[in-house]
Amino acid sequence: AQKVTQAQTEISVVEKEDVTLDCVYETRDTTYYLFWYKQPPSGELVFLIRRNSFDEQNEISGRYSWNFQKSTSSFNFTITASQVVDSAVYFCALLPRTQGGSEKLVFGKGTKLTVNP
Amino acid sequence: NAGVTQTPKFQVLKTGQSMTLQCAQDMNHNSMYWYRQDPGMGLRLIYYSASEGTTDKGEVPNGYNVSRLNKREFSLRLESAAPSQTSVYFCASRAWDRDAQPQHFGDGTRLSIL
Repeated sequence: AQKVTQAQTEISVVEKEDVTLDCVYETRDTTYYLFWYKQPPSGELVFLIRRNSFDEQNEISGRYSWNFQKSTSSFNFTITASQVVDSAVYFCALLPRTQGGSEKLVFGKGTKLTVNP
Repeated sequence: NAGVTQTPKFQVLKTGQSMTLQCAQDMNHNSMYWYRQDPGMGLRLIYYSASEGTTDKGEVPNGYNVSRLNKREFSLRLESAAPSQTSVYFCASRAWDRDAQPQHFGDGTRLSIL
């Protein structure tokens, strides 16, 4: 079974604080992909990052960084020096790699991040 | 670039009414998806179409039907709307290739069933 757990339902921080959003996944597939999406208050879903199961290199993009650890089945997301514009719901998702192109993305329930000025 | 376009953006229905949500993508993507988003539940897959001519059930298909009209368009139909179908509906598409591409989402349809 495929599953994504985002244990933190809501997080509230003060601007300029660092914050880490946790994501733990379950899959029996050896090849899979992990994603993070952002959903700001306006409602659209914005793709942030994709990582495949063979690439455990951490990634940094500006104030955003991602830590992928296969040993703990985790793909955590850190925002450094948070800003009010980072306030959103963040979703972690798992795409198991099967044959035939019928792969289905499995989403976590999301973490609502509020950054207060 | 339009990306994924959903219509309508908002709709209010009465219980028992029928309605079709439209979705079109202009990125030449093979796969298309319909999700519903409810508070505290994340996104749940209703139906998907891995390629033109095929459709399959997702996690919560009951009460819905879909049609993959062509490669661009994937519609979701509620035959007899129920209050439990009040939700925000998202359509998504993605390219199907060797290196999994991310799904691109439409802006959503907010549907209320009274």
